[in-house]
Amino acid sequence: DAGITQSPRYKITETGRQVTLMCHQTWSHSYMFWYRQDLGHGLRLIYYSAAADITDKGEVPDGYVVSRSKTENFPLTLESATRSQTSVYFCASSESWGASNQPQHFGDGTRLSIL
Amino acid sequence: DAKTTQPPSMDCAEGRAANLPCNHSTISGNEYVYWYRQIHSQGPQYIIHGLKNNETNEMASLIITEDRKSSTLILPHATLRDTAVYYCIVRVAGTNAGKSTFGDGTTLTVKP
Repeated sequence: DAGITQSPRYKITETGRQVTLMCHQTWSHSYMFWYRQDLGHGLRLIYYSAAADITDKGEVPDGYVVSRSKTENFPLTLESATRSQTSVYFCASSESWGASNQPQHFGDGTRLSIL
Repeated sequence: DAKTTQPPSMDCAEGRAANLPCNHSTISGNEYVYWYRQIHSQGPQYIIHGLKNNETNEMASLIITEDRKSSTLILPHATLRDTAVYYCIVRVAGTNAGKSTFGDGTTLTVKP
């Protein structure tokens, strides 16, 4: 089915480990986003991408790395995980965010716990 | 991007209209108002957006004041399934995504 999928849905890891969260969309949307949502709070933008090979920082980028070699994929990597990065991570995509002001479509999230 | 202010929680009786306010007093002329909702722990779901004029779709209506400093999302006949956290955000069209956030939203509880 077309849409936006995140994997894994759940992940437990240890501090200091590297972990990569995957995001794949089938709409060929140009814009993709990564947010984190801490318990009881709203979403905060980590990184976003306007197109393949174009990425930019959001509000809370420290400790995260992104890449976008293909339009449909936007992986998020925690290079050395810390407990403060325990959160729910949401990926989103939108069609030409700028000119056409289209809304974002969100995945179901990855629940990441860092012990 | 402009910040928004929403009440932390609201209750509504099933079948009645739910009116959710949002203050965005620093909104710029080219910023749109978007509403999303998040049911339980799912990903946020888009509801509606607008610039100046009132908007209506199959889910809700959006009323934007003439000075654009506030807006109201209206769910005309709330059901128990409308219980969710509702987020109001503002974003500029024609530029990059910017660094605004969703804030903490309004938790709407629809009661039987």
